[in-house]
Amino acid sequence: DTAVSQTPKYLVTQMGNDKSIKCEQNLGHDTMYWYKQDSKKFLKIMFSYNNKELIINETVPNRFSPKSPDKAHLNLHINSLELGDSAVYFCASSQVTLKGEKLFFGSGTQLSVL
Amino acid sequence: SQKIEQNSEALNIQEGKTATLTCNYTNYSPAYLQWYRQDPGRGPVFLLLIRENEKEKRKERLKVTFDTTLKQSLFHITASQPADSATYLCAPSGSARQLTFGSGTQLTVLP
Repeated sequence: DTAVSQTPKYLVTQMGNDKSIKCEQNLGHDTMYWYKQDSKKFLKIMFSYNNKELIINETVPNRFSPKSPDKAHLNLHINSLELGDSAVYFCASSQVTLKGEKLFFGSGTQLSVL
Repeated sequence: SQKIEQNSEALNIQEGKTATLTCNYTNYSPAYLQWYRQDPGRGPVFLLLIRENEKEKRKERLKVTFDTTLKQSLFHITASQPADSATYLCAPSGSARQLTFGSGTQLTVLP
């Protein structure tokens, strides 16, 4: 069973379109995230949700809107896609334990905007 | 602003040798530091976490040190194998919600 799964794996679309990426975790974690990894491999946090509530919203354009229907799901909707949105988007989840808080990542969605 | 630097974009070593990767950070004081491994086309996978009051942590062939005075962490892989080839990311942090990643070091272990 995949702990954090996101779909689709690849997404190729035209500029101006609207697209969504779905993410689900079966680890029972309270916190979920969206990260963006650019061509230089920098991994930057975009959003963080804890129990369906937004707790981190980095400087991300309003065209990006996360939605968390329940604590196991965090979807990312992107409006009016631009060329600069091309990147790999990772979903992740975490849980605080006595051993610390570590992230579990999905396998990524490679978004290509043409 | 917070800055994380990992040594050279790529590191090539011979199988059996010890690989040493460096992570330097500036302008903040993380409570702990994590190391992740990322393979092509996959998400990062957690390897080790070391706290600010710990000098060293080991897990099998992996060893991590954390020097809060130098603001530096060293990540060692002893008796390296070709299967260790991957990109390694460091992430100094106060919590997972403040996790900031370096751009990674791509390690290639040559047979």
